[in-house]
Amino acid sequence: AQTVTQSQPEMSVQEAETVTLSCTYDTSENNYYLFWYKQPPSRQMILVIRQEAYKQQNATENRFSVNFQKAAKSFSLKISDSQLGDTAMYFCAFMPDNDMRFGAGTRLTVKP
Amino acid sequence: GAVVSQHPSWVICKSGTSVKIECRSLDFQATTMFWYRQFPKQSLMLMATSNEGSKATYEQGVEKDKFLINHASLTLSTLTVTSAHPEDSSFYICSARGLGGSEQFFGPGTRLTVL
Repeated sequence: AQTVTQSQPEMSVQEAETVTLSCTYDTSENNYYLFWYKQPPSRQMILVIRQEAYKQQNATENRFSVNFQKAAKSFSLKISDSQLGDTAMYFCAFMPDNDMRFGAGTRLTVKP
Repeated sequence: GAVVSQHPSWVICKSGTSVKIECRSLDFQATTMFWYRQFPKQSLMLMATSNEGSKATYEQGVEKDKFLINHASLTLSTLTVTSAHPEDSSFYICSARGLGGSEQFFGPGTRLTVL
């Protein structure tokens, strides 16, 4: 079975500091996509960042970057200069084929 | 980015009745649409995948006769919860993907409460 594991149910960080959310996955596929989604209280799913497995370079989007370790099947999200608006649920997602599978999520709270 | 809408955003119904939820891709053609269910404080669980003009593929444990999915056009998919019961109360989210695309675009979700 292809699974996604987020081992941190909750995390908190001080405003302006950096936080890293972890994600591991299990697959025998070689080509796939990985995503981080943010779900604020409105519950709208917002794409934060995506990574294609065949690309070795880690994806970055402004304050958000990933550390993709394909051999270790690890896909962590680093949020730099945390802002109060970053408070939300964060879901790691894995898409080996047609379907997208989500981790259990990490609730991130940014403290002023 | 592409926009996906859902209607209604929330619905309350009586036990035993049926409820239809619509998912529309507003500015692109969605060859594949997905339906997820999210219980409070839990993750999104994939219920089914549908390709335009084809029967939906349901995940294990999801009753296809209870959750009817229709994807009759490239911009519309519907989920009908038949004979709803209180345990069907949940947040239902659809997503859509265009031909050849790898990204899924999510709707805002529908909160269903069955009394």
